[in-house]
Amino acid sequence: GAGVSQSPSNKVTEKGKDVELRCDPISGHTALYWYRQRLGQGLEFLIYFQGNSAPDKSGLPSDRFSAERTGESVSTLTIQRTQQEDSAVYLCASSLASSGGPGNFGPGTRLTVT
Amino acid sequence: QKEVEQNSGPLSVPEGAIASLNCTYSDRGSQSFFWYRQYSGKSPELIMFIYSNGDKEDGRFTAQLNKASQYVSLLIRDSQPSDSATYLCAVPYGGATNKLIFGTGTLLAVQP
Repeated sequence: GAGVSQSPSNKVTEKGKDVELRCDPISGHTALYWYRQRLGQGLEFLIYFQGNSAPDKSGLPSDRFSAERTGESVSTLTIQRTQQEDSAVYLCASSLASSGGPGNFGPGTRLTVT
Repeated sequence: QKEVEQNSGPLSVPEGAIASLNCTYSDRGSQSFFWYRQYSGKSPELIMFIYSNGDKEDGRFTAQLNKASQYVSLLIRDSQPSDSATYLCAVPYGGATNKLIFGTGTLLAVQP
């Protein structure tokens, strides 16, 4: 079946602009996660959704970052007033339940802030 | 001390050998441990997770957990060039599997 998809695959934006990243999880997966990976770094947790609720937003780096999920499906991660340090690959993952961790990662969105 | 530590490598092994990848963690209360494989330029793939002390085998992969030593390892038997990738260890933060803390990974290079 279809895996997790993300769009856009690449995004170049100017510092100070807002960007919106989209994730389509595997159908029926209630748990959805956003991570980011800076060049040469490990993955950093951003936020976790169970259904449409976000019980854990502890990884969002600042109030410039927000995320929502609707219909227990699509999720969007919005970064306002982008900064150069926001440049990273943003990865979305989904799973049937959170107990097994993020089991299926999407291909990621590579964000470059110039 | 970092929460999850891995040797960055590269770890070079000949084809057919056993590759041993190691990971140490700081949270003594951690109950589960995850191994992911990440090919260059690709997203991580979950290989396996382990909850109990001892060994867990899945095909050519064996995860070994020693909670007393706060040490988890991944053995790859009969290594193949296609196993060449970065292997990421991850541990739940505060026991919550929804929030994994990842190591920076070990680069494995299997020489044909």
